Amino acid sequence: AQSVTQLDSQVPVFEEAPVELRCNYSSSVSVYLFWYVQYPNQGLQLLLKYLSGSTLVKGINGFEAEFNKSQTSFHLRKPSVHISDTAEYFCAVSDPMGAQKLVFGQGTRLTINP
Amino acid sequence: GAVVSQHPSWVICKSGTSVKIECRSLDFQATTMFWYRQFPKQSLMLMATSNEGSKATYEQGVEKDKFLINHASLTLSTLTVTSAHPEDSSFYICSLALGSTGELFFGEGSRLTVL
Repeated sequence: AQSVTQLDSQVPVFEEAPVELRCNYSSSVSVYLFWYVQYPNQGLQLLLKYLSGSTLVKGINGFEAEFNKSQTSFHLRKPSVHISDTAEYFCAVSDPMGAQKLVFGQGTRLTINP
Repeated sequence: GAVVSQHPSWVICKSGTSVKIECRSLDFQATTMFWYRQFPKQSLMLMATSNEGSKATYEQGVEKDKFLINHASLTLSTLTVTSAHPEDSSFYICSLALGSTGELFFGEGSRLTVL
C-alpha cells in the first residue's frame, strides 16, 4: 500500500519569495505522483503530474516539482509566489497497476503575506 | 480534461433527514466515479468507488447503508447521506478518472451541515 507524507501543515511566505512544499511517499512499487491545489470551498485542481520520463515536471501557475526516486520525494516549488497562490496543496500517489485510486497527503496550507 | 459538476454546493439539513448530492460528468462518459470526504483542515479520504450499472465499492469503515451511492447513467452518480447526524457534516467531493494514470478530475464539492 502507498502512503504520502507532507512534512509541513502550514507554510507562510512573503509575496514574491520562493517556496518549496515537501512531499515524501512510500510504496513498494513504482508510482505516479500528483500535486493538486484546493482553493476555499472548491474541489481540487491538478497542478502537475509525474508519470515517467524527465524527473523535473512543470505545471500550471509557474509551479514545478522534481521526482527523486532515491529519496522517495516529490517536492513542489515556485520561484516567486503571488497572493493568489494562497491555498491548500495536496500531494497524491497512485499505483500504475492499481484501480485508479489516489492516496492523498495531509495537505499543506500555503499562506502568502504581502 | 473533464468537467465535473456537483449539486448542491451547500446544504443544511436537520438531524435525521436524508440528503442527496449529485455528481455529473459534463463532457465525458464515466463508468467509474469516486466519492471523497474531507473534514475541516484535513485531507481527502476515499469513501467509495461508484460503478455505472453495478454496486458501489466501499472503502473499509464506510457504512454502505448510510452512504447510498447510485450510478444509474454514464454521466451521473449520486450520494445519499441517510439519517444524517451532525458528525456527517463534511465536505463531499466527487471525481472521475480519464485513462489509467490515476489523474482525477474533481467536482466543486458539496458542503453538508447537519444541525
